[in-house]
Amino acid sequence: EVQLVESGGGLVQPGGSLRLSCAASAFTFSSYWMSWVRQAPGKGLEWVANINLDGSAKYYGDSVKGRFTISRDNAKNSVFLQMNSLRAEDTAVYYCARDWSGNDRTFDYWGQGTLVTVSS
Amino acid sequence: DIQMTQSPSTLSASVGDRVTITCRASQSINWWLAWYQQKPGKAPKLLIYKASSLESGVPSRFSGSVSGTEFTLTISSLQPDDFATYYCQQYNTYSRTFGGGTKVEV
Repeated sequence: EVQLVESGGGLVQPGGSLRLSCAASAFTFSSYWMSWVRQAPGKGLEWVANINLDGSAKYYGDSVKGRFTISRDNAKNSVFLQMNSLRAEDTAVYYCARDWSGNDRTFDYWGQGTLVTVSS
Repeated sequence: DIQMTQSPSTLSASVGDRVTITCRASQSINWWLAWYQQKPGKAPKLLIYKASSLESGVPSRFSGSVSGTEFTLTISSLQPDDFATYYCQQYNTYSRTFGGGTKVEV
């Protein structure tokens, strides 16, 4: 069964950094784009970033551009989100999701989410 | 960037009702639109992809349609398990965009 398991969330002070990880299993990881999506408490879904198959192309939402970096390690079936210069408004549950493999489907599997709280 | 405008933001309905949720794209996204259902404390679940294709395992009471840049999710007969929040999402561009969500409540 396809699984995505996020880790690395926690409490961090404004201006601080955090690195999220997402471990994938039971599918050919290197055949899929991967995304991070977040959801602030009581709010809707916000796409954060995605990365292509070999990591050579990365795209970011406007609210995180220049502060967050997405990366992947296909040998370890993992995708990462390095978050720097964190702000209170970055407080959210962060989900990783299987984005796209070139067919018609998208975001068909999601992790359980990891909570990031930015507060002093 | 492509904006996705979803309406209504909240919808009050009863079991057995026909429910319609609309999502309008700010520009052409061809048919690259997905719909998700999310329940409190849970990750979203894919319902519909490429505007009208039903994801495996999703009940046939869910359907999607498109007219130009306006996309519609229809639940033909609302069931108790369907009270949730629904989101649309475009994937025509590499930068993805979600709609604001529609909460379907009693």
